[in-house]
Amino acid sequence: DAGITQSPRHKVTETGTPVTLRCHQTENHRYMYWYRQDPGHGLRLIHYSYGVKDTDKGEVSDGYSVSRSKTEDFLLTLESATSSQTSVYFCAISESRAANTGELFFGEGSRLTVL
Amino acid sequence: GIQVEQSPPDLILQEGANSTLRCNFSDSVNNLQWFHQNPWGQLINLFYIPSGTKQNGRLSATTVATERYSLLYISSSQTTDSGVYFCAVTSLMDSNYQLIWGAGTKLIIKP
Repeated sequence: DAGITQSPRHKVTETGTPVTLRCHQTENHRYMYWYRQDPGHGLRLIHYSYGVKDTDKGEVSDGYSVSRSKTEDFLLTLESATSSQTSVYFCAISESRAANTGELFFGEGSRLTVL
Repeated sequence: GIQVEQSPPDLILQEGANSTLRCNFSDSVNNLQWFHQNPWGQLINLFYIPSGTKQNGRLSATTVATERYSLLYISSSQTTDSGVYFCAVTSLMDSNYQLIWGAGTKLIIKP
């Protein structure tokens, strides 16, 4: 199994508070991703990173920011959480985004509830 | 953009049965992956298969890229096979290598 650890696994917070989710990998993969999964919407990409300090937006990036200061860590921050950000968040990694080596591996997910 | 359709949306089988899940896509792809999300929410990569056939135990997958579909076969189903199976692809024309997800097939295996 790919070495991907997400923390916290569960969090309940109140509207307007900041929240940071952490993803840590031991595979030394270049690419890291944050997805959210909601009923009726499937998996949607929030942000991804293609190297230390190199990040880009996905399809649902509004209200989220990310940082990657080390190869192994990718942080997702909700500056001011809203109820619409209640979701399950998945971190994923891949060796590359090229056609032959873009296999994706997921962490166990972080369930966030914003009251 | 590329469209990904999975069928059937739901499937209920008895333990021991075989099943075939289908993934159709609307454009040429250079990346196709099958995932299993178990009832506890964990997403597991089953196959990376943009073309050809692969087998892993009771599971096998075939992608016919020229006809734009992929099939996931599960033989001798077990209750642990329950969950949602997702297909995800990257269009050959997408320089950003964005992975596009199907809506999934929910599989329930009854003991």
